[in-house]
Amino acid sequence: GAGVSQSPRYKVAKRGQDVALRCDPISGHVSLFWYQQALGQGPEFLTYFQNEAQLDKSGLPSDRFFAERPEGSVSTLKIQRTQQEDSAVYLCASRSLSGRGVHEQFFGPGTRLTVL
Amino acid sequence: QKEVEQDPGPLSVPEGAIVSLNCTYSNSAFQYFMWYRQYSRKGPELLMYTYSSGNKEDGRFTAQVDKSSKYISLFIRDSQPSDSATYLCAMTGANSKLTFGKGITLSVRP
Repeated sequence: GAGVSQSPRYKVAKRGQDVALRCDPISGHVSLFWYQQALGQGPEFLTYFQNEAQLDKSGLPSDRFFAERPEGSVSTLKIQRTQQEDSAVYLCASRSLSGRGVHEQFFGPGTRLTVL
Repeated sequence: QKEVEQDPGPLSVPEGAIVSLNCTYSNSAFQYFMWYRQYSRKGPELLMYTYSSGNKEDGRFTAQVDKSSKYISLFIRDSQPSDSATYLCAMTGANSKLTFGKGITLSVRP
């Protein structure tokens, strides 16, 4: 079946522009996570949704970052007034509460954001 | 200091070698331990998942967890060129979010 999809795969933005990154989770997956992966580093947690409720946003680096999942399926990560330090791969993951391991998260391919 | 530390790389081995990858952690709340494999330009994919201390084997892969030492390992036997990728350890407690190591890039030479 279809996995997690993300769009766009690549995004180039000028410093100061706003960007919106989309995640389509696996159908029926209740939980959705966003991570940021800088070059040569492991992914770092940004935020977590269960259905439409944002249960944890402790990893969002500043108030320029905003995520939503209004209908409990597709999620959008928005970054306002992008800065060069925002350049990274943004990964989305989804999880079913009845997966083979309750903590198994399935990752999408990521959106590579480059801020010039 | 980061909550999860992973041995630095890169690592290059000949085909057929046994590979040992290691991570240490500091947070006693971590209960679930995972190894992810990430190919270039792809998202991480789950390789091994263990709960609590002990060993778990799956084909050529063995995961070990020693909670008393806060140390986890992944062993790859009979390594193949197709195993060339970045390997990430990850762990979580009850709060669902994964905390990852930095990752190590493995290259298996034919």
